[in-house]
Amino acid sequence: NAGVTQTPKFQVLKTGQSMTLQCAQDMNHNSMYWYRQDPGMGLRLIYYSASEGTTDKGEVPNGYNVSRLNKREFSLRLESAAPSQTSVYFCASRGLVPQQQETQYFGPGTRLLVL
Amino acid sequence: DAKTTQPPSMDCAEGRAANLPCNHSTISGNEYVYWYRQIHSQGPQYIIHGLKNNETNEMASLIITEDRKSSTLILPHATLRDTAVYYCIVRGTNTGGFKTIFGAGTRLFVKA
Repeated sequence: NAGVTQTPKFQVLKTGQSMTLQCAQDMNHNSMYWYRQDPGMGLRLIYYSASEGTTDKGEVPNGYNVSRLNKREFSLRLESAAPSQTSVYFCASRGLVPQQQETQYFGPGTRLLVL
Repeated sequence: DAKTTQPPSMDCAEGRAANLPCNHSTISGNEYVYWYRQIHSQGPQYIIHGLKNNETNEMASLIITEDRKSSTLILPHATLRDTAVYYCIVRGTNTGGFKTIFGAGTRLFVKA
């Protein structure tokens, strides 16, 4: 049981390049999330997927697209990277704790530098 | 989801209790209070959550005021490894609350 995995761990892009950040979870969770965290700041929600087949915008969706490929995978795409998108990107999924409530489990993050 | 307010930073001596406050004056009746922490550059980690009763687990205790407008996370014997950013979040349950917003959190420094 690997939990939430993200690839790549690090990436350097030039302005205008595109790339896709991959996220997968093996906990059979319905909901998945993408956040970004700028240096010294809190997490900001980019997009989320409440269940397979649905996606919704978060706080800062501009410049990003997402795909909920199946229940396990939720990818984030930057079509034309900008220096303002330099950040650490965290993927999360939401599941159950023993008390039958729900909490989020986070991946290790992808560190992206856009030059 | 209700907005939360936390102090930007706090200090605590090693071995002492760390009490982290959170205000959530606009919380609604079906919203829970969740606490997460983020150590260095890792992904956030769930700590504890509650609705209206005080809760305790192996990591921490959560005290929620009777009017539910504020709460306190208590780390009973803080260690250097508890130095982290602590996030207080208010969110609904499975029927809603998919959109989970993190604020800036409280940066806790545990000092030897």
